[in-house]
Amino acid sequence: GAGVSQSPSNKVTEKGKDVELRCDPISGHTALYWYRQRLGQGLEFLIYFQGNSAPDKSGLPSDRFSAERTGESVSTLTIQRTQQEDSAVYLCASSFGTSGPTGELFFGEGSRLTVL
Amino acid sequence: LAKTTQPISMDSYEGQEVNITCSHNNIATNDYITWYQQFPSQGPRFIIQGYKTKVTNEVASLFIPADRKSSTLSLPRVSLSDTAVYYCLVGGNSNYQLIWGAGTKLIIKP
Repeated sequence: GAGVSQSPSNKVTEKGKDVELRCDPISGHTALYWYRQRLGQGLEFLIYFQGNSAPDKSGLPSDRFSAERTGESVSTLTIQRTQQEDSAVYLCASSFGTSGPTGELFFGEGSRLTVL
Repeated sequence: LAKTTQPISMDSYEGQEVNITCSHNNIATNDYITWYQQFPSQGPRFIIQGYKTKVTNEVASLFIPADRKSSTLSLPRVSLSDTAVYYCLVGGNSNYQLIWGAGTKLIIKP
């Protein structure tokens, strides 16, 4: 597709269950980012991929959070044993470069996660 | 990492020019200034980026004074559809180091 695609768009789960969120970046974009956005707040950086490698995982809130990227394309963010505080919109973005004029971030529409 | 300060909210009316100013006193030599727009239930969208002086594109202008410690996003002749949150970001090394504040919630009234 022409843009960044995320699925599911909405996910309601019960506390303690695992969830997987998927991101399809723009073809050819080597950099991929995951963010979390709580209601009324700015974006919170989670993890960044350059190709299939994640040079910076420092934003992952706990060891319940993990992410992988394969084929320099699709990425999956996994949250294990979900907690109510995990409820948020999870945004994925991709970019051709990583900074400056070539670093424009292209965002998907997000996956809204609600943990009951 | 350069943090930014921008108003929490602003109101204006259709047809007016809106200027949103962002302070970034600790901007580094290699930092760019970038603005994104976010509508409800959507991801942010790039508006404009600049390094110094003035940059203009089809939707906005960005004014950056010589000391680069602030910048102003100018939206000409706004419409109701410009109601959104606007984020000012400063960074140069890598996108993942950008700090996203709460942004400025702009409300355009008829």
